[in-house]
Amino acid sequence: DGGITQSPKYLFRKEGQNVTLSCEQNLNHDAMYWYRQDPGQGLRLIYYSQIVNDFQKGDIAEGYSVSREKKESFPLTVTSAQKNPTAFYLCASSTQGQKLTQYFGPGTRLTVL
Amino acid sequence: GDSVTQMEGPVTLSEEAFLTINCTYTATGYPSLFWYVQYPGEGLQLLLKATKADDKGSNKGFEATYRKETTSFHLEKGSVQVSDSAVYFCALEKSDSWGKLQFGAGTQVVVTP
Repeated sequence: DGGITQSPKYLFRKEGQNVTLSCEQNLNHDAMYWYRQDPGQGLRLIYYSQIVNDFQKGDIAEGYSVSREKKESFPLTVTSAQKNPTAFYLCASSTQGQKLTQYFGPGTRLTVL
Repeated sequence: GDSVTQMEGPVTLSEEAFLTINCTYTATGYPSLFWYVQYPGEGLQLLLKATKADDKGSNKGFEATYRKETTSFHLEKGSVQVSDSAVYFCALEKSDSWGKLQFGAGTQVVVTP
């Protein structure tokens, strides 16, 4: 089955530690995205990538980093510089261009203790 | 800039009741519009979409019509079930960059037996 996988589903880290969230897709999509979701709020874009080896900052990139070495993978690192990292993180992908649909993974809930 | 405004929740309904969730938007041009649904602890699933004015998106008994004159994309369902309990997000494709979505804050719907 084609789809987007995120792992792990739940992640706990101590304050001050970096942590990397995994996102893999087998939909052959060129574009991938990372969003953050906080309770009672919509999704906010962290980073996005339109093509391998290229990515751009979204609306709330500070304290996060990404890489896009393979078309299928777009890992997100939450660094110790992120002031309030506890949140639900969602990865999405789409084909390139306008008027296209983004498909989402199941999400990773990160809790920083 | 582009923005999406949804009615606040939670919206609590009895089974078989009629559901309406209001969504209005501000955008340049003619963005594609989307409704996504999020069940507890899961990622977002595309519910329906419309790409141009007067288009009607429909899926699983839900409908929404792209109204350019009122800049609205209200979601409706004629008879809800307990399984429709979820958070519903309205979103638009941002006009300044293809593929980027602007989400509303989400509306929680609770359907009771």
